[in-house]
Amino acid sequence: SQTIHQWPATLVQPVGSPLSLECTVEGTSNPNLYWYRQAAGRGLQLLFYSVGIGQISSEVPQNLSASRPQDRQFILSSKKLLLSDSGFYLCAWNRGNTEAFFGQGTRLTVV
Amino acid sequence: QKEVEQNSGPLSVPEGAIASLNCTYSDRGSQSFFWYRQYSGKSPELIMFIYSNGDKEDGRFTAQLNKASQYVSLLIRDSQPSDSATYLCAVILLFFNDYKLSFGAGTTVTVRA
Repeated sequence: SQTIHQWPATLVQPVGSPLSLECTVEGTSNPNLYWYRQAAGRGLQLLFYSVGIGQISSEVPQNLSASRPQDRQFILSSKKLLLSDSGFYLCAWNRGNTEAFFGQGTRLTVV
Repeated sequence: QKEVEQNSGPLSVPEGAIASLNCTYSDRGSQSFFWYRQYSGKSPELIMFIYSNGDKEDGRFTAQLNKASQYVSLLIRDSQPSDSATYLCAVILLFFNDYKLSFGAGTTVTVRA
């Protein structure tokens, strides 16, 4: 069966520090991968999605970047965090027109 | 125009009543439709999916799809306090020879005991 791993679960980082969040999928190949951010009490904001290795689409201009070095690995990064980067970050995957599944999420607090 | 739109709520229903959630989508090429439930501070979990016009029932949940009207709904029968959550509508549409997932902003449901 397919599973998705996302870590860490919580993270507190100072302003200006770098960020790296990792997401890996098991049990499938060539998934579409997504990074979402959710501010408190708000909906999901799509940050990046990827249809294959090295193929990244950015939905909104921001202080973040994404990379897909392997088929089932998706990384969200920042060189210098801002206070506004705080939020709940979710990785998701789908394949074809089937349902999508989420990781457990990372709650990032920038202080 | 947003790809997927939902009423943000909050939707407040008494325990035992039917909660009705609505979702519209803009792309007629949308192929698959999903409802997720998200408890506060948790990641969304899939509760229903529907591909064909009509109704699909799963326990106390019924999804209804009308592709002509570009409308998908979720009914929660015999609502329980544990159903209090945010419900996200999602669609998958064909996007440059691949399938892209798109979410609505979510509807917050509160079930009053």
